[in-house]
Amino acid sequence: EIVMTQSPATLSVSPGERATLSCRASQSVSSNLAWYQQKPGQAPRLLVYSASTRATGIPARFSGSGSGTDFSLTISSLQSEDFAVYYCQQYNKWPPWTFGQGTKVEIK
Amino acid sequence: VQLVESGGGEVQPGRSLRLSCAASGFTFSFSSYGVHWVRQAPGKGLEWVAAISYDAINKYYADSVKGRFTISRDNSKNTLYLEMNSLRVEDTAVYYCAKEYAQGNDYGFDYWGQGTLVTVSS
Repeated sequence: EIVMTQSPATLSVSPGERATLSCRASQSVSSNLAWYQQKPGQAPRLLVYSASTRATGIPARFSGSGSGTDFSLTISSLQSEDFAVYYCQQYNKWPPWTFGQGTKVEIK
Repeated sequence: VQLVESGGGEVQPGRSLRLSCAASGFTFSFSSYGVHWVRQAPGKGLEWVAAISYDAINKYYADSVKGRFTISRDNSKNTLYLEMNSLRVEDTAVYYCAKEYAQGNDYGFDYWGQGTLVTVSS
């Protein structure tokens, strides 16, 4: 099973600032990685797939990068609606499809 | 596009529960997509539970539920199911259904239901 590890667990950022979230895989997942955003009481929402492709309707301030074992999600200028928990997910080797434990982006 | 789960509730350990996920509003047929169950224990992260291929031929399970849970689908009713037997306290979670997006190497869970809460408690 591929283990996904996200860091940091919590990221405190001021509105308008840049946030960078990290995700590391226990073995190479190539570019087969997705990012999701989840707000309290809501279902997750697909943000990025194939490590760097934004899903339909996702603003350009969200960008993904990386390949192999190290990935990042950058939010270039945090808006109030971006404060949420973010999960990475690998789909290179399945089952299982594995998620990271999440990074909470909170208001500083 | 909507995925609507139902069937959650409170149940005693060792008992059974059946979840449903009804799909509507898709541009293409529900029967064209693989679908998954993903759960989230209170205050915890996402855990993939089970998946079923578009034609119901292939089914996959997390080790934590293998032998206890059964995933199925009825494409004539645009509905996904999760039969949960021998429930344990640690199965307590919000259960989401999620539709696969798969185009070449592009992949993700692009639509999710709102979730249904399963509580296993004595």
